Amino acid sequence: NAGVTQTPKFQVLKTGQSMTLQCAQDMNHEYMSWYRQDPGMGLRLIHYSVGAGITDQGEVPNGYNVSRSTTEDFPLRLLSAAPSQTSVYFCASSRTRDTQYFGPGTRLTVL
Amino acid sequence: RKEVEQDPGPFNVPEGATVAFNCTYSNSASQSFFWYRQDCRKEPKLLMSVYSSGNEDGRFTAQLNRASQYISLLIRDSKLSDSATYLCVVTDTGNQFYFGTGTSLTVIP
Repeated sequence: NAGVTQTPKFQVLKTGQSMTLQCAQDMNHEYMSWYRQDPGMGLRLIHYSVGAGITDQGEVPNGYNVSRSTTEDFPLRLLSAAPSQTSVYFCASSRTRDTQYFGPGTRLTVL
Repeated sequence: RKEVEQDPGPFNVPEGATVAFNCTYSNSASQSFFWYRQDCRKEPKLLMSVYSSGNEDGRFTAQLNRASQYISLLIRDSKLSDSATYLCVVTDTGNQFYFGTGTSLTVIP
């Protein structure tokens, strides 16, 4: 039972590069979200989706894009990486307002 | 003002001790409440949901006080394996989850 998977686990980028963090879930959950976690800041919501074709911004959306073409996948795109985007990124899925299941995280460093 | 606030700790307690964490939330219309546990460099995992009537799971008891807008977590007979960061989570009437910054617990032998 895979649950929520994220790739890659680790990534180093140079300033200005773009990349996509992948997230997939096999639980048929309608709700998916992306968070970043920084020391002393807790988990902050970047973007979320309540179903295929529907996305919305969270607390810290600038510099990130998302799309939701299927129920299973919710990729996060960094358009032009900046050092301020160095963080740990978690993807999560749930039934709406129910328990969230998290992926193992992606540790991103932007030089 | 943050949606969810927690005392970051750290709480350092001996094995067998009882420890309690509190969490306050700002939105009186908040719908669902949870405690998550996060081990170092790992993803958060659900510890327990919090219901209005209070609920217990083994050594863990969670309480919700809607009038005062706080949630509590009580851990009895602490084990070394309870060492982790405990995150308070609240949902609003929409679809957003709000996380506290977490409370760090270390159980000492």
